[in-house]
Amino acid sequence: AQSVTQPDIHITVSEGASLELRCNYSYGATPYLFWYVQSPGQGLQLLLKYFSGDTLVQGIKGFEAEFKRSQSSFNLRKPSVHWSDAAEYFCAVGAGNTPLVFGKGTRLSVIA
Amino acid sequence: DAGVIQSPRHEVTEMGQEVTLRCKPISGHDYLFWYRQTMMRGLELLIYFNNNVPIDDSGMPEDRFSAKMPNASFSTLKIQPSEPRDSAVYFCASSSRNYGYTFGSGTRLTVV
Repeated sequence: AQSVTQPDIHITVSEGASLELRCNYSYGATPYLFWYVQSPGQGLQLLLKYFSGDTLVQGIKGFEAEFKRSQSSFNLRKPSVHWSDAAEYFCAVGAGNTPLVFGKGTRLSVIA
Repeated sequence: DAGVIQSPRHEVTEMGQEVTLRCKPISGHDYLFWYRQTMMRGLELLIYFNNNVPIDDSGMPEDRFSAKMPNASFSTLKIQPSEPRDSAVYFCASSSRNYGYTFGSGTRLTVV
C-alpha cells in the first residue's frame, strides 16, 4: 500500500536561512508526487508536482523539490525562508486517477 | 474561477443532531474528494466520486456518514447522528485527469 512519511513534525528556521523538508514515500508504481502548503484556517494549496522528466521541479513561492527514485524521496527546499512561509507542509503521492495519500505534515515556524 | 466552495465555514452542533456539509467543485473537474483532517489522524480520505458516481467509500468511518453527488456541481456530506468524535475540519477537493487537485477552505465542525 502506498504511504508517505514526513519525519519532521515541526521545524524552526531563521528568516533568510535555507530550508529542507523531508518526504519519503512507498509506492508500487511510478508515483506522482506533490507538495502542498496549508496556512492556518485555510485549505491546502499546491506548491509543486512531479509526474516525470526532470527530477528537479520548480514551484510557486520560490520552492523546489527533487525526486530521488533510489531514495524514495521528494524533499522540498527553499534557499531563503521568509516569515510568510510559516505554515504546515504536506507531501502527497498518487498515480493515475487514484486519490492522493498525504503525509502527516511538517509544521514550519520562522523566527526573526 | 471561484475555486472549490464549501459551506458552512464553521458548524457547531449538539451531539445527536444531523449535520450537512456542502461542496461546489470547480466546473469541468470530474473527480471530487472528501477528506477529514484531525490532529491525531492527519488528512483522511473519506470518499471520492468520478463523474458524480461514488468510486470508493471505504474511508467513511461509519454508517452515520453518507455522501451524495446529485450533479456535477454539488456534493454533500451528511453525518446523522453526529458525535463529539466527529469534530474535525472537513475538506472537499476537486480534480481533473491531470491531477489539478484544488481544495476548498474547509468546514470546521464542532460537535458538543
